Formats: sequence, C-alpha cells, structure tokens
Amino acid sequence: DGGITQSPKYLFRKEGQNVTLSCEQNLNHDAMYWYRQDPGQGLRLIYYSQIVNDFQKGDIAEGYSVSREKKESFPLTVTSAQKNPTAFYLCASSTRNGWGNQPQHFGDGTRLSIL
Amino acid sequence: SQQGEEDPQALSIQEGENATMNCSYKTSINNLQWYRQNSGRGLVHLILIRSNEREKHSGRLRVTLDTSKKSSSLLITASRAADTASYFCATDAGRGSEKLVFGKGTKLTVNP
Repeated sequence: DGGITQSPKYLFRKEGQNVTLSCEQNLNHDAMYWYRQDPGQGLRLIYYSQIVNDFQKGDIAEGYSVSREKKESFPLTVTSAQKNPTAFYLCASSTRNGWGNQPQHFGDGTRLSIL
Repeated sequence: SQQGEEDPQALSIQEGENATMNCSYKTSINNLQWYRQNSGRGLVHLILIRSNEREKHSGRLRVTLDTSKKSSSLLITASRAADTASYFCATDAGRGSEKLVFGKGTKLTVNP
C-alpha cells in the first residue's frame, strides 16, 4: 500500500540533544512537508520541500533542520536550539501540478517529549 | 496571516444528527480543503473545493464555499460515532502557493 511512514511513534529528548524524526513516502510525490501540532492547536509549517535537494523554511523553522537527498525521504532534526520541542510532529506529501496546493497525505506522527 | 478559523471549537451531537462546521478566512484563495484527524493520528484529506465552485459533495459530506463572505461550511449528514474527530479547514497561503495554512479545528463528538 502506498503511504507515508513516520518513525518513531514516540521520542524522548534529553537537554542539549539533537534528535531526528524520520519520514518516508512511497507515493512518488515531489513535495513534502513538516508540521508541528501543539495541543488544541492547528498545524504550523516548519519546513517544506518541493523537489529533491531543495527546501524552504516555513513559519517556525528556528531550531529545526531538514534534508532532502532522496525523493522518498525528508528527515527532520530537532536541534538543541529548539527550547520547547514537546509537540506532535506530522509529515505530509503531495503531488505538484504547478497550480497551487494539492491534497496532502499525512503520516501518523511522532510525539516528541523532553526527558 | 491567512489562517482559516473554524467555528465552533467543539460540537457534541447524537448519532443520526447532522453536524455543521464553519470556516472563515481572510484573503483570496485558490481552493479550500477540509481534513479530519482522529485522536493521536495524522490528518486525512476529505474534500477540496475550488474558488469557482459553490458546493461539493462526497458521500455524507457536503461542503459549501462563499468567496464573497470568505467562508466555508462542512456538513456531515446522519452522523455516526465513527465521525468523532477533529476537523480542520486549510487554505492556500497565497496565489500559486503550494503551502497550506490550517485553522485550529472543530472537535466533533458523536454520542451513540
């Protein structure tokens, strides 16, 4: 089945530690996105990538980094500079048709907490 | 910000009743999308309505769009307990943008 796989489901970070969240898709989508969701809130865009080897900052990129070396993969690193990392992180992907946004397909998220 | 705002924040109904959720946004859009999120899961795309469409149906879902009022509504007819979830509207972040801006969602509870 085609879809997006996020791992791990739960992750704990120690003070001063960087952690990496994995996101893999087999939908052959060009565009991939990372969102942060806080309790009772909507989604806020961290980073997005429209093509391999290219990505752009979203609304809350500070303290995060990404790479897009393969079409299928878009890992997110939460660095020690992100002082409030506790949240639910969602990865999504979509096709591109050159005409605005398309429906996005989401993974089942990674819940990150501070130890 | 072009964020959509859903109303109400929470809605509790009985099985079999209809549920209506509203979304307002601030500036012109290409399209508006509705998503569902079950507790602790990712979002699932429900329906996309383009700016030149006024109404769209998908199964028990009916979405309307009023661009003059910058608002949309999602109607779920004959609701079921399985419809219990949070529902989000999302708008594009500007003409030609491939980014989505999400509202804070409506939490729907359908009581058996």
